[in-house]
Order: sequence, then C-alpha cells, then structure tokens
Amino acid sequence: DTEVTQTPKHLVMGMTNKKSLKCEQHMGHRAMYWYKQKAKKPPELMFVYSYEKLSINESVPSRFSPECPNSSLLNLHLHALQPEDSALYLCASSQDPGDDEQFFGPGTRLTVL
Amino acid sequence: GEDVEQSLFLSVREGDSSVINCTYTDSSSTYLYWYKQEPGAGLQLLTYIFSNMDMKQDQRLTVLLNKKDKHLSLRIADTQTGDSAIYFCAESSSGGSYIPTFGRGTSLIVHP
Repeated sequence: DTEVTQTPKHLVMGMTNKKSLKCEQHMGHRAMYWYKQKAKKPPELMFVYSYEKLSINESVPSRFSPECPNSSLLNLHLHALQPEDSALYLCASSQDPGDDEQFFGPGTRLTVL
Repeated sequence: GEDVEQSLFLSVREGDSSVINCTYTDSSSTYLYWYKQEPGAGLQLLTYIFSNMDMKQDQRLTVLLNKKDKHLSLRIADTQTGDSAIYFCAESSSGGSYIPTFGRGTSLIVHP
C-alpha cells in the first residue's frame, strides 16, 4: 500500500461547527505533514509530526488542532474557523523526518461558510 | 523576492516538448523536486534531483540543473493532453529540515 488517504474529500462547515479531517498511511512512514493550499497558490506547511510527536508548528492559529493518535493516523481538528480558512488541506508522509520524498494525499476541499 | 520562482503559464501543442523553468535562491539546497497537481487533486512527486547532479532522465521527463545559476528545468517530451496540470518546483535543504519550499506553480496547458 503506497497511498496516503484523506477523508472527507469535501467538507462544508459553518463558523461555529467543530469538524475533523483525517489522514491515513500504511507505508510505515514516521513523519506526517499537514499543508494548506489556497487556489492557484503553492502548498503552505502547517504542521509536522515526527515519530508521533509534533515537531513543527508554522505559527498556525489555535482554531486548527492537529493530533497523531498513532503512527498511521493524523487528524486535524477544526473549530471556529473563518471563511478565509477555506482551502485544500493536504496531508503528506515521508519515511523519516527530512526524507527526500513526501507522498501526498488527494486533499480535503474545505469550505467555511 | 520569493525563494523559488517559476513562470505561471505555459501553453504547448500536443506532441511538442514542454520546458518548465524554475529558479531558486538557496545555495545550500540539497534536493530539487518537480511535483504535478491535476485539478482538485493532491500533489504527485514526478521526479527529484540531488544538487550534485546536473541531469536526470526518466522516460519522457528530463530534469536539468544548473547549480551555478540556481536554475532547474523540467522537459516533457511528446507532451500529451493528460500532461495538462500545474507543475510545482520545490527545493529543500538541511537548514529547512528538508521540508520542501514550493514555487507558485506553472499551469501547463496542452492543446490539440
């Protein structure tokens, strides 16, 4: 299995909702990443987990809360988001932190109303 | 200026070669990447090159690196309509924990 899967594919939520994005990989990768991508822009790194521990937080607002329950799963909990948070949220993984190849999931298209 | 720069659009005819160019500023870049993103999809790593190489070929793809000028290019031979996508150039270095820094992406449009 050489895939990174993400659910849901699309998500529409109100500013008062709480929702979660999920990411899963079964490649035995020890590093997992969350990126945010606005339309016609490159991905922007949000968080990095290394060996299930948060190693990088790129000054992301606290309304985004990452969680790594185990080595295969990465969640992004969303609460009190703003319309400008609407974007494609991409998960990626790599064999080791700092490995040369990241594998990306298909993304979750998030719309905040 | 931005760390990784690329032109935003490229239009080619089906069957022609496409050349997408990229420049970067970090002289300590270790890896240089090309990613492909189709509409509504995630990023797919197409190929990457170590900074001590100057060329890498993989089927229809040829990557050229001019380290002195910090210039990277991706050549796609016999471009097909299925190659239409956004192509992101990226670089990484130990100073950035090998997290890729992406360019803004080049939209490749292939027309018949």
